[in-house]
Amino acid sequence: EAQVTQNPRYLITVTGKKLTVTCSQNMNHEYMSWYRQDPGLGLRQIYYSMNVEVTDKGDVPEGYKVSRKEKRNFPLILESPSPNQTSLYFCASSLLPGASSDTQYFGPGTRLTVL
Amino acid sequence: GENVEQHPSTLSVQEGDSAVIKCTYSDSASNYFPWYKQELGKRPQLIIDIRSNVGEKKDQRIAVTLNKTAKHFSLHITETQPEDSAVYFCAASNDYNTDKLIFGTGTRLQVFP
Repeated sequence: EAQVTQNPRYLITVTGKKLTVTCSQNMNHEYMSWYRQDPGLGLRQIYYSMNVEVTDKGDVPEGYKVSRKEKRNFPLILESPSPNQTSLYFCASSLLPGASSDTQYFGPGTRLTVL
Repeated sequence: GENVEQHPSTLSVQEGDSAVIKCTYSDSASNYFPWYKQELGKRPQLIIDIRSNVGEKKDQRIAVTLNKTAKHFSLHITETQPEDSAVYFCAASNDYNTDKLIFGTGTRLQVFP
């Protein structure tokens, strides 16, 4: 079954304690993204990756890091989380640009609370 | 960069009525416009998309229209049903960077039986 998985699904942590949210896809997609979803602000892109070892900043990259060492995995790293990073996070993956379908497949979401 | 505005933020309709959600975009280079439906507590899922080489696309009760000149596109849901209740997001991107989707802020649609 084609899917995007994220772990953990829920996380409560404290300010400054490094954390990683994993994302994995089994569709051999080149493109992967991280979004955060906040009330009234919709989905905002944090980082994206066009292929292995190729990453770039989205609209709200501050306070986040990513890596793309393997095609299927795209972890989101918060080196020193702060309360304003409390949010719902979605990972997504998609095919090449210009393909007949640019459907982004979303993971189930990770609800992060930073105290 | 691209900016996508979405209206209304909330929309309530009676079952069987039509619902229309509108989005405007700023980057004339944008040529791919998907719509996502997000049910409560679930992930966004693509329901329909349109490319700039067509003006309208329909899939059963859902249709999307695109006006490139005015830089706006709309989602139309006919014969609404209670299960259509969800938050709907529009988005825009261009082929050069299709991974960089810019989303609207969402419309919460409630369909009352």
